[in-house]
Amino acid sequence: QVTLKESGPALVKATQTLTLTCTFSGFSLTTYGMRVTWIRQPPGKALEWLARIDWDGDKFYSTSLKTRLTISKDTSKNQVVLTMTNMDPVDTGTYYCARMGHGWELDPWGQGTLVIVSS
Amino acid sequence: QSALTQPRSVSGSPGQSVTISCTGTSSDVGAYNFVSWYQQHPGKAPKLMIYDVTKRPSGVPDRFSGSKSGNTASLSISGLQAEDEADYFCYSHSGTYIVLFGGGTKLTVL
Repeated sequence: QVTLKESGPALVKATQTLTLTCTFSGFSLTTYGMRVTWIRQPPGKALEWLARIDWDGDKFYSTSLKTRLTISKDTSKNQVVLTMTNMDPVDTGTYYCARMGHGWELDPWGQGTLVIVSS
Repeated sequence: QSALTQPRSVSGSPGQSVTISCTGTSSDVGAYNFVSWYQQHPGKAPKLMIYDVTKRPSGVPDRFSGSKSGNTASLSISGLQAEDEADYFCYSHSGTYIVLFGGGTKLTVL
C-alpha cells in the first residue's frame, strides 16, 4: 500500500522560509519512473502544481515560483523535502505531496498540511 | 500557462446523470491523452477518479466515466448518489514537465 504524509510548521511568518517534508512508504524513489510532486491549495481555491522530483534526480518547478522553490530527496529515509523562501500571506494554504508513477496522474495523495503565513 | 476551465458548479438529483467539462487548448487537453480527474470532499485530500482521459482506477465505481473531444475533456457521473457531492478537479499534461489544474467544480446532489 502506497502512502504519503506531509509534515512541517503550521504557522510561519512573512519573509521566512518554509520547509515541508513528505514521508512516503510502499514505493521507492530509486525505482525507474517514480516521481513525487508537491501541490498546494489556497483556502477555497484551486489546486496549484509546485514542483516535482524524479527517480533519477531530475527536478522541475512551477515557472511562477521557480526562484523561491527547492525540492530534494533522501532515498534512505523515503522523504522528499520542499523549501519555499520569502513566504507571504498569499502562500497560505494546504500543501500536498503526491506520487506520480509511470503515467501523468497523481495517485495517491498525502492528507495535506495546512500552512498559515502571518504578516 | 493558464488553468483549465471548469464550470464553478453543477447539480443533479439522486439517480440522475451529470457531466463536468474541462476546457483547455490545443497545447494541453487537445494535445495529449493525459487528462485525469480528482474528487475532493471537504477537508480531505483529492482522490484519483479517472486517468488517461477514460481509465478508471480499481475501486472507482463504473458510474464515473471520462471522455474527450478536441480541447474539452468531460467527467460523467451516472446514477448520482449523495456521496458523490464533492469538488471535482481536472488536470492535464501540457508539454515537457508542465501540468495544469482546472479551477474546480462543486457538485451538489439535490
